[in-house]
Amino acid sequence: GAVVSQHPSRVICKSGTSVKIECRSLDFQATTMFWYRQFPKQSLMLMATSNEGSKATYEQGVEKDKFLINHASLTLSTLTVTSAHPEDSSFYICSAPDRDNYGYTFGSGTRLTVV
Amino acid sequence: AQTVTQSQPEMSVQEAETVTLSCTYDTSENNYYLFWYKQPPSRQMILVIRQEAYKQQNATENRFSVNFQKAAKSFSLKISDSQLGDTAMYFCALYSYFGNEKLTFGTGTRLTIIP
Repeated sequence: GAVVSQHPSRVICKSGTSVKIECRSLDFQATTMFWYRQFPKQSLMLMATSNEGSKATYEQGVEKDKFLINHASLTLSTLTVTSAHPEDSSFYICSAPDRDNYGYTFGSGTRLTVV
Repeated sequence: AQTVTQSQPEMSVQEAETVTLSCTYDTSENNYYLFWYKQPPSRQMILVIRQEAYKQQNATENRFSVNFQKAAKSFSLKISDSQLGDTAMYFCALYSYFGNEKLTFGTGTRLTIIP
């Protein structure tokens, strides 16, 4: 079935630095990628939707200048957390529609800790 | 707007027993899909079961089955012969064709299987 590979799985960075998270579709073309943020013991909160070759669509309240999303190819979408602060520490998950199976495939997530 | 409600934040059950997780939803669409996802401690999102709204027959996957009541907009998950590996967060989710392919998640139910 469709697989989305997400890296890194864990990252620790210093305040003020930027961190890039990558999601690659391994055996299918992901023209759309959803980016979620998940706080401990809470549900997934959709941050933005990226579409290959066009600008990402951000959900209300999500700072597009802080969370830069790029979807430059049919198999790669990236989320860059810029000028990270401790409050950006969270679990980030990507997901792509698996249109052949009317479902979704999720990356394994990235735990970001900003110190 | 679409909404998904899970009214049971936490549940626990003895191993080998049966447990039912509740989910209600709201959508103005007639064509949609409903999902149950499992998120174990590894935090990888795993599809448990999927139901197409146009199908009257309840979906089943081995020990997992749903009770889909379209008129009542209810979509409960029954886990039979529960196993320790079933311990996880369970999320109910809704997708409709006209929702820009976005998944709407419920707040989740934390299920603990007691040995």
